[in-house]
Amino acid sequence: AQTVTQSQPEMSVQEAETVTLSCTYDTSESNYYLFWYKQPPSRQMILVIRQEAYKQQNATENRFSVNFQKAAKSFSLKISDSQLGDTAMYFCAFRIGGRGSTLGRLYFGRGTQLTVWP
Amino acid sequence: DGGITQSPKYLFRKEGQNVTLSCEQNLNHDAMYWYRQDPGQGLRLIYYSQIVNDFQKGDIAEGYSVSREKKESFPLTVTSAQKNPTAFYLCATASRPSTDTQYFGPGTRLTVL
Repeated sequence: AQTVTQSQPEMSVQEAETVTLSCTYDTSESNYYLFWYKQPPSRQMILVIRQEAYKQQNATENRFSVNFQKAAKSFSLKISDSQLGDTAMYFCAFRIGGRGSTLGRLYFGRGTQLTVWP
Repeated sequence: DGGITQSPKYLFRKEGQNVTLSCEQNLNHDAMYWYRQDPGQGLRLIYYSQIVNDFQKGDIAEGYSVSREKKESFPLTVTSAQKNPTAFYLCATASRPSTDTQYFGPGTRLTVL
C-alpha cells in the first residue's frame, strides 16, 4: 500500500520569508513520481513542482524547490520569498511509474494550509 | 480555449436523486480521473479511465458510476446509493498515465439537501 503523510495541518509565514512544508511517503516501489499541488481559495488544483524518483537532483521551479531524500522517503517543499498569493492548501502526492494496474493514480496527503501574512 | 471543464460549478440534489457531473477536455489526453475531496482530507480516487470504453474503480467507487464513450468526456453519476455525497468533486486528465502529470479541472461542489 502507498501512503502519503503531511504532519503539519497549518503553517504561517511572513511575506518575503522562507517556509518549508513536510511530506513523507511509504512505498516498496522503486519507480515513482512525487508532486506538490497547491489549492488556493478558488479550489483550483495547480501543479507546483514534480520530482522523478530516479533523479538525484532536487527539482526547482522559480521560488519553489524540493528536498528529496529517497532513503528517508521524505519530500519537503521550500518556498522562498513568500508572497501573499502563495496562501493556499498544499498537497503532497505520489504516483507509481511505469506500466501496471495502477494506471497513473495519485495518492494524496491530507494537505497543509499555508497562510502568508503581510 | 483549451483545458478541462467541469459543470456545473455548484449542484444541489435532493436525497434519493441521481445526478451527473460533467467533465470535458480538449487536451487530447488519454487518461481521465475522478476524485472526491472532503474537508480535512486529501483527494480520494473514485474512478479512472485510461482509454475509451474502459474504466476502473478507485478506492471509493461505491455509489458512483462512470462512462467513457468519447475520449473527451468522462461523466460521473452520483447515485442514490451514495450515502454521503456532499463533497467537492475534481476531474483530472493526463496525456500518458504512466509518466505524465495530472492536470485538474475547476471542480464541482455537490450539496445534498
